[in-house]
Amino acid sequence: AQSVSQHNHHVILSEAASLELGCNYSYGGTVNLFWYVQYPGQHLQLLLKYFSGDPLVKGIKGFEAEFIKSKFSFNLRKPSVQWSDTAEYFCAVTPGAGTYKYIFGTGTRLKVLA
Amino acid sequence: GAVVSQHPSRVICKSGTSVKIECRSLDFQATTMFWYRQFPKQSLMLMATSNEGSKATYEQGVEKDKFLINHASLTLSTLTVTSAHPEDSSFYICSAIGTGTYEQYFGPGTRLTVT
Repeated sequence: AQSVSQHNHHVILSEAASLELGCNYSYGGTVNLFWYVQYPGQHLQLLLKYFSGDPLVKGIKGFEAEFIKSKFSFNLRKPSVQWSDTAEYFCAVTPGAGTYKYIFGTGTRLKVLA
Repeated sequence: GAVVSQHPSRVICKSGTSVKIECRSLDFQATTMFWYRQFPKQSLMLMATSNEGSKATYEQGVEKDKFLINHASLTLSTLTVTSAHPEDSSFYICSAIGTGTYEQYFGPGTRLTVT
């Protein structure tokens, strides 16, 4: 079965630390990749997305992600986190061309200490 | 950006009653809407995919007679939880996509509590 794995379930960082959240998926064909953030009490917001082209994708709020096809990965990075980045982060994949359904990862809860 | 709203944001109902949740795309036409359920501290579980004017497609294990979905227009989909039980208490989230895009826009969610 197709799946999306986020290995880090809980991450605690101090402000200004660098962040990398892992996302791996199990599908060998064409994929579309997304990272969403859910701030406490708020709805999911898109951070960035990859459909094709440059595998290094820049998103909002200083986030970026790199698609490495050979590793089936789409890791999220930010060079210097802020307290306001405290949130839950979800990786999502649409497996296959013409497929609109997301398969979500289990989520990573990030806490940034001021 | 595209905005999706849900109503109500919170609802408490008694066991055995039915409750309807609305999902609206406010500034775009949503060809497809999705309904998710999110358990505490867990990820989103897709319940069903709803296309305007046609029957919803339910994921395996989701009871279609219990979770009735109607997508009567390009801006509105409704989820009705029929004969609700305490185990149906959860956070229900809808999302919508427009024509020719894979990006889903999410609503703020509805917290359902069944007593």
